[in-house]
Amino acid sequence: EPEVTQTPSHQVTQMGQEVILRCVPISNHLYFYWYRQILGQKVEFLVSFYNNEISEKSEIFDDQFSVERPDGSNFTLKIRSTKLEDSAMYFCASSWGQGGYNEQFFGPGTRLTVL
Amino acid sequence: AQSVTQLGSHVSVSEGALVLLRCNYSSSVPPYLFWYVQYPNQGLQLLLKYTSAATLVKGINGFEAEFKKSETSFHLTKPSAHMSDAAEYFCAVSNDAGNMLTFGGGTRLMVKP
Repeated sequence: EPEVTQTPSHQVTQMGQEVILRCVPISNHLYFYWYRQILGQKVEFLVSFYNNEISEKSEIFDDQFSVERPDGSNFTLKIRSTKLEDSAMYFCASSWGQGGYNEQFFGPGTRLTVL
Repeated sequence: AQSVTQLGSHVSVSEGALVLLRCNYSSSVPPYLFWYVQYPNQGLQLLLKYTSAATLVKGINGFEAEFKKSETSFHLTKPSAHMSDAAEYFCAVSNDAGNMLTFGGGTRLMVKP
């Protein structure tokens, strides 16, 4: 069964460093998403991406964040200068279509620890 | 704007007992509602979804949920809990464009032998 994969599973970085979190969505999916979950808190939407453009973003997704689909398979989230409060589990998701009835398929997550 | 409230961050049941996980939503448009399950060290897996076709929705692993518009609820139930049901459960609502999910705080289900 096709699945969303994410690498690395755990990333530790120093405050102020840049990190890139990588995701490989399901191959025939067209819509891509990032969410995060700070320990003990809700899963929060960050950004959605379609046709090489951001289609929706939350207020969390500020200038420190960017997304890219550098090739036909990867979808990345970059944090330019990490802060302590960026420590969280980051989930990538993808869906075939858009519209509220379309299921988003989630990856296993990358745990980011900022020291 | 959408929002989701899950009552009870932790629920404990005995094996074989009824599971009831509560979810209330707020949405300015007819909602699309989802229940996801997260097992330890895994991603979110869809249990079931409400897309207005039927108010009682059946999902995987024997779970079902009933959409009640008058109560703005979408509670998740399972008649008989199994040890393997122990996990965290998230209720979510989609925006109308379908490009953003808003999640509740999650409910950790514990199943006692």
